[in-house]
Formats: sequence, C-alpha cells, structure tokens
Amino acid sequence: DTAVSQTPKYLVTQMGNDKSIKCEQNLGHDTMYWYKQDSKKFLKIMFSYNNKELIINETVPNRFSPKSPDKAHLNLHINSLELGDSAVYFCASSRPGGATGELFFGEGSRLTVL
Amino acid sequence: AQSVTQLDSHVSVSEGTPVLLRCNYSSSYSPSLFWYVQHPNKGLQLLLKYTSAATLVKGINGFEAEFKKSETSFHLTKPSAHMSDAAEYFCVVPSGYSSASKIIFGSGTRLSIRP
Repeated sequence: DTAVSQTPKYLVTQMGNDKSIKCEQNLGHDTMYWYKQDSKKFLKIMFSYNNKELIINETVPNRFSPKSPDKAHLNLHINSLELGDSAVYFCASSRPGGATGELFFGEGSRLTVL
Repeated sequence: AQSVTQLDSHVSVSEGTPVLLRCNYSSSYSPSLFWYVQHPNKGLQLLLKYTSAATLVKGINGFEAEFKKSETSFHLTKPSAHMSDAAEYFCVVPSGYSSASKIIFGSGTRLSIRP
C-alpha cells in the first residue's frame, strides 16, 4: 500500500532511446510533480499537474513530455535520451488544503544513459 | 523572491552528540519552511514544517527546528545523533501559496555519523 509508487526503479538505456517512467499515488491528492535530482543531489522541479492540468512547466527540453491520465497518475516520457538525462527522477504529490511545500515523494527512478 | 541557503554541504558528528544543520532563508513575507530527509537510495520524507504557528517545531525522529525571524534562520537540531540519522537533509521554502507555486529546495547537507 505504497503511497506514491514509481516504476521502474532503475532504467539503463542507450543514448537516443525513448523511455517512460510511471507514477501513481493512492493518497487522494490532486497535485503531482516530477523532480530531477542530479549527481550532486540538487533537486529541480520539472512539471506539476493539478487535477490533470499542467500548472508548472519549467525550462525542460521538449524531449520530456508529462502525461496525467487522471489525478492519481503522472507519467513522464523522454524521447531521444542524452547522457545528461542521467539522474534520479522523483514523483511527488500534495494534498488539497495542505501546507504548500508539504510533499509526499516516491522512492525515485534512477535513469542511466550510456 | 523566496530562497533558502544551507550553510554546510557536509556535517559529521559522533554518535550520541548534538546535531546542528543550518538553514537561512530569504523572504519578503513570513514564509512556511520545511525540512526533508533523504536516506540513501530513498525518496524524500518530511521531517517537520513551520507554518507560522509555534516558532519551535518538533518533527519525527527527535529532530526539531526553530524559526528565528530576526536571524532569518530555520536551523535543524537533534540532541543526540544516532547512526540511522546519516542521510541528506534539505531545507525547503515555497515560492508562494497557490498550487502553481514552486517548492524551492536548498542544496542539501549530508549528515555523517561517526561510531
């Protein structure tokens, strides 16, 4: 009964490939996020969805395309993978009426591009 | 604009001694502030939050933090470190209070515990 679950946990792939990461939350939250954590542990927001609507879209290459089929799911598709895409990608969610900044994180998906 | 600065990238303490992880914030208004912990190969977990109620906030695992407006600080402390406290710690401030507000993470402090 994991609250925020991401799959896969590990991804190893070649440059130029396309890959997807899936995220699901069973907390009843209405806002979901994708964060990228680099090798120095720096966390950067990529996207945020509120009730399936895109509300934050940071300066991210358009090779990255999020998709939210419903408010419990937020997937991330990456086209034409590059070496610099290697990172840990975290999905998170927040509840309606909760303190802004209170996030619930998945365990991360470690992407390695060779 | 809101920002947080974590003053130490790495802190090392002996087991059983106090822990101090420092965070300064910059804000044009009284902010909400958070500390998150990330254990190796895990996701981030909320440790504690300050939302303009009591300035001394208690969190999980014996951690606490004090909001000091005069010093623009929100330092994280624990009286006695345990080996299981070894992790990365992030100080966090939201840029605003709407669902479109960005959550700003500090650069992180790695806490090591010596036996």
